[in-house]
Amino acid sequence: GENVEQHPSTLSVQEGDSAVIKCTYSDSASNYFPWYKQELGKRPQLIIDIRSNVGEKKDQRIAVTLNKTAKHFSLHITETQPEDSAVYFCAATFTNAGKSTFGDGTTLTVKP
Amino acid sequence: DGGITQSPKYLFRKEGQNVTLSCEQNLNHDAMYWYRQDPGQGLRLIYYSQIVNDFQKGDIAEGYSVSREKKDSFPLTVTSAQKNPTAFYLCASTPRGLAGEGVQFFGPGTRLTVL
Repeated sequence: GENVEQHPSTLSVQEGDSAVIKCTYSDSASNYFPWYKQELGKRPQLIIDIRSNVGEKKDQRIAVTLNKTAKHFSLHITETQPEDSAVYFCAATFTNAGKSTFGDGTTLTVKP
Repeated sequence: DGGITQSPKYLFRKEGQNVTLSCEQNLNHDAMYWYRQDPGQGLRLIYYSQIVNDFQKGDIAEGYSVSREKKDSFPLTVTSAQKNPTAFYLCASTPRGLAGEGVQFFGPGTRLTVL
């Protein structure tokens, strides 16, 4: 089955700096790669996603890049703010199978 | 955030008891999922269902059971066979065959504590 590794497990940055979180996956059939943000005690919410026919996608301060050859994808957050502090999860999905495999999460702390 | 609900929000159980967690959605999504989340860890798949009256085991199905008799409901039973059930349980749903395929919409979760 699919295996997703996410790094780093914790990340601390100063407000205004950039943050990068990386994930690798094992199954070349995976074709959809979402990123979720989970605040303490809350449900995960989708913040950005990318499908396998695209190499990069950007939404304001957030961007995701995908390298299908190397089987890795990354989340980039620029100009970080304290409200970006949360746990971020990546996932790899083979939509035909209807199943996602999640990384273990990255706890991001943005210090004012 | 509306569209998928879970109840109760908090649940306490004595050892040896079965408990059932509710999950309902009004998004008309075909697929539904149950995940378990332990402190500081990711989401582990318990069961999933892509269509009514059919479901598949996830990575940690032992000690759990589900049913999918209706499209909008996917209850999870935590049985006494589950040795360490204290965790945060998340239900999710996703559309199939549409532009949003693969995007998971999560419920607010149920925090289960075994006393």
